[in-house]
Amino acid sequence: QVQLVQSGAEVKKPGASVEVSCKASGYTFTNYYIHWVRQAPGQGLEWLGSINPSGGRTRYAQKFQGRLILTSDTSTRTVNTSTSSVTMELSSLRYDDAAVYYCAKGSLLGYGAGSSYNPYDYWGQGTLVTVSS
Amino acid sequence: EVVLTQSPGTLSLSPGGRATLSCRASQSVDNRFLAWYQHKPGQPPRLLIYGASSRAAGIPDRFSGSGSGTDFALTITRLEPEDFAVYFCQQYVSSPITFGPGTKVDI
Repeated sequence: QVQLVQSGAEVKKPGASVEVSCKASGYTFTNYYIHWVRQAPGQGLEWLGSINPSGGRTRYAQKFQGRLILTSDTSTRTVNTSTSSVTMELSSLRYDDAAVYYCAKGSLLGYGAGSSYNPYDYWGQGTLVTVSS
Repeated sequence: EVVLTQSPGTLSLSPGGRATLSCRASQSVDNRFLAWYQHKPGQPPRLLIYGASSRAAGIPDRFSGSGSGTDFALTITRLEPEDFAVYFCQQYVSSPITFGPGTKVDI
């Protein structure tokens, strides 16, 4: 079954960087975009950006340009194991970056294959990022 | 940027009741690119409706979506206890992808 498993909670100081990973399994990783969405306390959902694991093409919300980096890893470790993961790095953290960060798998229910403009059919469990001095 | 506005902010209903949630876009959105998600505390969001009116896999038929242009709606008939949650609309036709602020359906 499709699973997206995120790394654990993080506590960072203002100005620092945070990395959150999202490990995917149960589907062909390179066929679907991965998106990152966050929810600050008491707020709605906010889209940060997306990455095509096939080739690494990224698209970022303008608000996060220059602070957000998404990378994908599709390396094969051994004959029987491979890594399918995406990492989100957000730098120059501010207090208002404190939120639960989600990775989400793009479906093929919008523009379809090869496009980032599809709704999200599976989500990671969320990673709490706290920004505190 | 397409701004989505949802109303009401909170809807207080009883099990067995009917909920109608509204999502209004600041500019016309192609029907094919409007989705609704259900979000419960401590859980990730769950895709309910895509293409404005198509139910996602495994979603019961008491959930239905409608609308076009700038006005969309999510209707939940025969509310079950597990339906009390926050509901977000999303447009995925243009960047940045945007979500509405959510409607909370509570008892």
